[in-house]
Amino acid sequence: DQQVKQNSPSLSVQEGRISILNCDYTNSMFDYFLWYKKYPAEGPTFLISISSIKDKNEDGRFTVFLNKSAKHLSLHIVPSQPGDSAVYFCAAVHQTGANNLFFGTGTRLTVIP
Amino acid sequence: DADVTQTPRNRITKTGKRIMLECSQTKGHDRMYWYRQDPGLGLQLIYYSFDVKDINKGEISDGYSVSRQAQAKFSLSLESAIPNQTALYFCATSDPRTSGANEQFFGPGTRLTVL
Repeated sequence: DQQVKQNSPSLSVQEGRISILNCDYTNSMFDYFLWYKKYPAEGPTFLISISSIKDKNEDGRFTVFLNKSAKHLSLHIVPSQPGDSAVYFCAAVHQTGANNLFFGTGTRLTVIP
Repeated sequence: DADVTQTPRNRITKTGKRIMLECSQTKGHDRMYWYRQDPGLGLQLIYYSFDVKDINKGEISDGYSVSRQAQAKFSLSLESAIPNQTALYFCATSDPRTSGANEQFFGPGTRLTVL
């Protein structure tokens, strides 16, 4: 049973515009969330994270928003750049459990120059 | 040099063969993980190890075994490979004491094809 879901397999955005990637989760015990970025032939790399005690975390062009009541998080990239083209995975963890990450299915972002 | 390395990077094998995927890390992390990724699916946890004497099953451990030979080495074995084990396999490490909470560092992956 997929506890973390990314319902959009792909997204295309024009360079300079905003990219919004969405993620939903079902397990209310999750209390920490991460976004990973993956280029072809490479492993995922950590991008940004957020604790459940916050509703927003910002790092440069990347902002993650968390809506706990809706069990929803989103990653905003502003402005989008061609180098942002990659597959983005959201992941969730229950920190007082085994601390294992549960991953979504990924969204392939294409930024069009 | 990469902090987390995986060998081989690509492997084609036949049904019934035994195969081992190896992972080494120079990060000094205690925790190591094996994941598989199938097309259209996220990464699924196979096994994880919090130190050399600690091995735990993940979500999809059936058909796999692991060995933690040292803090820096964690290998994944398929005792008798079957075609539905064709996937991309990732090793990862973490250490909450030295890196961001819950952040895991991934190797480049091993593409395994079982014919």
